[in-house]
Amino acid sequence: TQLLEQSPQFLSIQEGENLTVYCNSSSVFSSLQWYRQEPGEGPVLLVTVVTGGEVKKLKRLTFQFGDARKDSSLHITAAQPGDTGLYLCAGPQGGKLIFGQGTELSVKP
Amino acid sequence: NAGVMQNPRHLVRRRGQEARLRCSPMKGHSHVYWYRQLPEEGLKFMVYLQKENIIDESGMPKERFSAEFPKEGPSILRIQQVVRGDSAAYFCASSPISDSRPRAGNTIYFGEGSWLTVV
Repeated sequence: TQLLEQSPQFLSIQEGENLTVYCNSSSVFSSLQWYRQEPGEGPVLLVTVVTGGEVKKLKRLTFQFGDARKDSSLHITAAQPGDTGLYLCAGPQGGKLIFGQGTELSVKP
Repeated sequence: NAGVMQNPRHLVRRRGQEARLRCSPMKGHSHVYWYRQLPEEGLKFMVYLQKENIIDESGMPKERFSAEFPKEGPSILRIQQVVRGDSAAYFCASSPISDSRPRAGNTIYFGEGSWLTVV
């Protein structure tokens, strides 16, 4: 069974700071996705990475897929209170999507 | 609104009652997934269905839980004789093609969830 482990589990920072969230596995994934979930809502897809070493940017968010396709990171530059939420990584396993336990990010003004 | 629609958004049941959660996939999507999320946790896969077929129910508890996706109408997740431990958010997702592996062009879309509280 492939597992996805995210770290840190909780992160509380001040507005303007930078941060990195990690998603690690001992198994190789064909692709990984990052989702953001706000309280009371469903997860919303941010990005899909499919190639080892791939880097994708979405405004202040930078996503990287590890060369060996076993890990991924999400870096946020100059975090804002609007970035607050639960960040989830997910990958395919046997035809379904499995999720990490998430990183709860709180950005204080 | 072409998104994944779940109802009810909030449901309160007493222990021993039945809970029925409904999910209408996005238009044109014939693949439905159900996930459960406990407070401060990620999403746990429960079941994957196509029209009139259960493809993978490896995450579904063996007792009291069942799911269906009939030819007509929404997918339904049914929980019989609910217990307090069933209290959670239940999310439905849908995708358009047979291969659910995420890649560019194949996206799974989530509904906004149904929050079940068992009292």
